[in-house]
Amino acid sequence: EPEVTQTPSHQVTQMGQEVILRCVPISNHLYFYWYRQILGQKVEFLVSFYNNEISEKSEIFDDQFSVERPDGSNFTLKIRSTKLEDSAMYFCASRDRLSSYNSPLHFGNGTRLTVT
Amino acid sequence: GDSVTQMEGPVTLSEEAFLTINCTYTATGYPSLFWYVQYPGEGLQLLLKATKADDKGSNKGFEATYRKETTSFHLEKGSVQVSDSAVYFCALLQSGGTSYGKLTFGQGTILTVHP
Repeated sequence: EPEVTQTPSHQVTQMGQEVILRCVPISNHLYFYWYRQILGQKVEFLVSFYNNEISEKSEIFDDQFSVERPDGSNFTLKIRSTKLEDSAMYFCASRDRLSSYNSPLHFGNGTRLTVT
Repeated sequence: GDSVTQMEGPVTLSEEAFLTINCTYTATGYPSLFWYVQYPGEGLQLLLKATKADDKGSNKGFEATYRKETTSFHLEKGSVQVSDSAVYFCALLQSGGTSYGKLTFGQGTILTVHP
């Protein structure tokens, strides 16, 4: 069964550094998402992306965050200047265009980001 | 706004015990409801879903019924196995508008099953 792939599985960075989290969505999917989960807290929506533009973003997704689909397969989340509170598990998800609006999202295994 | 509340965990059971994980929601309109599971070291996997009132989702022996009158979507399994040990997330997907695909999650419930 096709999978959403995320790399790296664990990223350690120093405060103030830029990080890029990478995702390869399922190949025929056209809707892409990033979610995050701070340790011990809920999984939170960050951003949705369709047709090469952001379709919705949460309050968390401020100017320090950006997303990009640089080619036909990758979907990236960039944090320009990381803060300690950005430490979390980041999940990428995708959904295909043929499904009805309430079809499920397919998630990757996540990237654990640790900011020191 | 929309919200999902799950029973507090962690939950510890012996193998073959009956499992219930409570989930209630607050939402306008007619959302779809999901249970996702996260096994150790893995991502979020869809376990089951229900898209309208009185629908029952089922998979791998797990069941949940969409109860609009009580705004609930409780997860049940008649006989748990050690391999069911995982974190379980209840989630809501609002219908229509511009938010389709944006899931609202509960806080997750850790289930540990002992032999």
